[in-house]
Amino acid sequence: QVQLQESGPGLVKPSQTLSLTCTVSGGSISSGDYYWSWIRQPPGKGLEWIGYIYYSGSTYYNPSLKSRVTISVDTSKNQFSLKLSSVTAADTAVYYCARVTSYFYYFDYWGQGTLVTVSS
Amino acid sequence: EIVLTQSPGTLSLSPGERATLSCRASQSVSSSYLAWYQQKPGQAPRLLIYGASSRATGIPDRFSGSGSGTDFTLTISRLEPEDFAVYYCQQYGRGLTFGGGTKVEIK
Repeated sequence: QVQLQESGPGLVKPSQTLSLTCTVSGGSISSGDYYWSWIRQPPGKGLEWIGYIYYSGSTYYNPSLKSRVTISVDTSKNQFSLKLSSVTAADTAVYYCARVTSYFYYFDYWGQGTLVTVSS
Repeated sequence: EIVLTQSPGTLSLSPGERATLSCRASQSVSSSYLAWYQQKPGQAPRLLIYGASSRATGIPDRFSGSGSGTDFTLTISRLEPEDFAVYYCQQYGRGLTFGGGTKVEIK
């Protein structure tokens, strides 16, 4: 059973960079059948896709966030990471990592999510 | 980018009733790339339906998906107490986007 777990600071100051890591267990991040993704959800609102990465390092980002987002992968640790720069209060959200099938592009496994608050 | 509009925003029903949730796309979506998720408070979304009509592993057969082009539907044939939640549709095509969600609440 694949499991994903987010980790990182729960509080980030405005204008700084938000950094999160997702650790994958029960399966290899190097499987060619999947992408590895970040999604966020502001409190009381809907879901927003941030981007995803292939084990080779190829990335695909939401155009609305592309200028501020970097997703990277560390296959040796079975982890992938998110960096979001120049954050504001609007970036306060629960951040989820998830696995995406590379055939139908749906999210079949999700982490439990981690709340990141942007505040001074 | 394709915009997904879900309706209604809130559906008030009683256990045992049938729920019909709509997801309308601003441009045609391949049926292969339309999925539905259920989210309960404090939990991550859970995959229900992929490819517009295929149930994910372990999903009861009271959940069904249908539709094509720009109009897709999630139907819950008889609501169980655990089905009261928020439901999202998601597409991949021109970008990857989610709908705004439909909340199914107890009447």
